[in-house]
Parts: sequence; structure tokens; C-alpha cells
Amino acid sequence: GAGVSQTPSNKVTEKGKYVELRCDPISGHTALYWYRQSLGQGPEFLIYFQGTGAADDSGLPNDRFFAVRPEGSVSTLKIQRTERGDSAVYLCASSLMARANTEAFFGQGTRLTVV
Amino acid sequence: AQSVSQHNHHVILSEAASLELGCNYSYGGTVNLFWYVQYPGQHLQLLLKYFSGDPLVKGIKGFEAEFIKSKFSFNLRKPSVQWSDTAEYFCAVVSGGGADGLTFGKGTHLIIQP
Repeated sequence: GAGVSQTPSNKVTEKGKYVELRCDPISGHTALYWYRQSLGQGPEFLIYFQGTGAADDSGLPNDRFFAVRPEGSVSTLKIQRTERGDSAVYLCASSLMARANTEAFFGQGTRLTVV
Repeated sequence: AQSVSQHNHHVILSEAASLELGCNYSYGGTVNLFWYVQYPGQHLQLLLKYFSGDPLVKGIKGFEAEFIKSKFSFNLRKPSVQWSDTAEYFCAVVSGGGADGLTFGKGTHLIIQP
């Protein structure tokens, strides 16, 4: 597609439920990043993939968070036993390759609200 | 660990005023620096970036930024702002030798009054 696509755009879930957030990167981009943006804050790095493998997951806040990218394209961020503190906008970005001097393109984000 | 500090959280200017948004980072090694902008209801977009070479970089829409290594700064400037520049601006850094995710500042909410 023309840009990074994230679905759904909005998700409301009850505390304790499981959610999946999807990211469809720009075609041909091998690197994919997930960020979380809380109200009044800048995006916070969660995890990035180079191809199918998670190259750095040091930003995942705890083991309730998990992400996959099985075929090296679409990625899914999975959150188990959601908590109200997980409410945020989850951003996905992709770049041609995972190098520091490569521009990352962001999606519109998924706004997750845990009630 | 890297960190980014944006000094101004809210800035209100009149059209045609000059703009400077401060950004300081903490990291001892080589860095790549970015300014992203988020217009209301839109996704983050790259304004400009510094990787190496001329420390004065020019971006889209008349924005520029100067990398001052001795001050660990990468301030964003525009000589004459327009109402359409109303947006959230984020400074970000990544270590030059790696492929880690970006470290962002908290952002500056810029409002341009017509």
C-alpha cells in the first residue's frame, strides 16, 4: 500500500481482555517498529523486527505484551489481560531497512481504551 | 541510555512570527537526529533529519534545524510561521551505530494564531 496501515483505528476493551493490534507496513520495508504513545507524551519504543525476527524487544513493558511478524510483512501486537494503564495510542512504523540513518514511516495508530 | 528533552511543551505564536523549538539529547556517541510533526488528526511525518555532514539541515515547509554537538542540541527553526504550522512537534534521536528504535521527546504543542 501507499503507507503504513494500522487496524483497528480505535479499540475499546474491558479490563482483563485480550486484544490484537495489526500493522501492515509499506511494501518492501524489512524493518518494522512498534511504539506506544500515552497522553501528553512522546512515542515510546516497544519492539522492532528485522524481517521475521524480533531484533530488540527491550521496550515491551512486561510479559503481557507480545508481537509477531511471521512472514516478514504484517505484524500483530498482542496484549493479554489488559489493564487500564495500557490505554494509549499504539503506533507502528516501517523502514526500508533497520539502520539508524533510514527514515521510518508511521501509521495513524490504534487508540486503545481499556475500561 | 538515550534521552531527549524538549523545553517548551506549549508554544503560542502569531502568524509571521519566528519560531525556535529547543531539543537537547543525552548520549555520548554518534547520533542521528530527527524532527517529526503531527498535524491534527494525522500521522507522524518526518520534517527533517541529521545523519552527518553539514550541521544545518533544511526540511520541508521552510523548517530547518542546527546540530550543535558541543551543546547536545538540535533546535528547530522557522523564520515565519503560518497558521497551518499548528501541530505537535517531536524531536527524536537514535544512536548512529545501531538500528534501535527512536527515542522521542515529550513533544511541543505549537499553536499559531491567525
